[in-house]
Amino acid sequence: AQKVTQAQTEISVVEKEDVTLDCVYETRDTTYYLFWYKQPPSGELVFLIRRNSFDEQNEISGRYSWNFQKSTSSFNFTITASQVVDSAVYFCAPLTGNQFYFGTGTSLTVIP
Amino acid sequence: NAGVTQTPKFRILKIGQSMTLQCTQDMNHNYMYWYRQDPGMGLKLIYYSVGAGITDKGEVPNGYNVSRSTTEDFPLRLELAAPSQTSVYFCASSYGHGELFFGEGSRLTVL
Repeated sequence: AQKVTQAQTEISVVEKEDVTLDCVYETRDTTYYLFWYKQPPSGELVFLIRRNSFDEQNEISGRYSWNFQKSTSSFNFTITASQVVDSAVYFCAPLTGNQFYFGTGTSLTVIP
Repeated sequence: NAGVTQTPKFRILKIGQSMTLQCTQDMNHNYMYWYRQDPGMGLKLIYYSVGAGITDKGEVPNGYNVSRSTTEDFPLRLELAAPSQTSVYFCASSYGHGELFFGEGSRLTVL
C-alpha cells in the first residue's frame, strides 16, 4: 500500500501566525495527484487543493500556499495569517491509480 | 444539487445485526468510495467503484460488502456487526482524477 506520513500530530499557533503542515508520501507511480482536505470540528470533509505530479510549480491561493517537491516526495501546505476558523484537522491525500490514501492528519489549533 | 447523500446519519446496532448504509450522488460521477474513520485517525478505504457494475476492495474490506448497480448509488452492507465496526463512515464520489466530494458521514455504534 502507498504510505502517507504527516509527522505533526498536533500544532498550536497564535492567531495571525503562519503555519506549515508537512506531508511526505511514498508512491511507485510516476503520475499521480496530491490533495489536501480539511475536517473542521463539525466533522465534514472539505477539499482544499489539488496538484498533479508533473506540475511542480508552487502556487498561492488567498491565504493558502503549497510547496510540492517531487524529488523529496513532499507536499507541504501553508496557511498565512492564521485565523481561529482554520482550527481543524488537515489531511494530505495522494491519489494513485484509483485510490486516495489519507494520512493520519494534523490537528491545528489557532489560539485567539 | 444535493451532492453526496448518506443515510442514516446515526445508527446503533447490536452485535450480530446487519444493516445497509445508503449513498447516492447526483453529479454523474464515475468513481465512488466508502471510507471509515476511527477516532483520531485518518480515513481508511473500505471499497471503491470505478463505474456501475464494477467494485473493488480497499484497505479494510473485511466484514463489508458493496454493490454498484447504477451510477448514482453505492450502498455499503455490514453483515454480522462487530464492535470493531464502530466508526464514522463516509461515502465519497469523484470524476476522473478530480477531488472527492464527501457525504456528511454516518456514525455507527455497535454494542
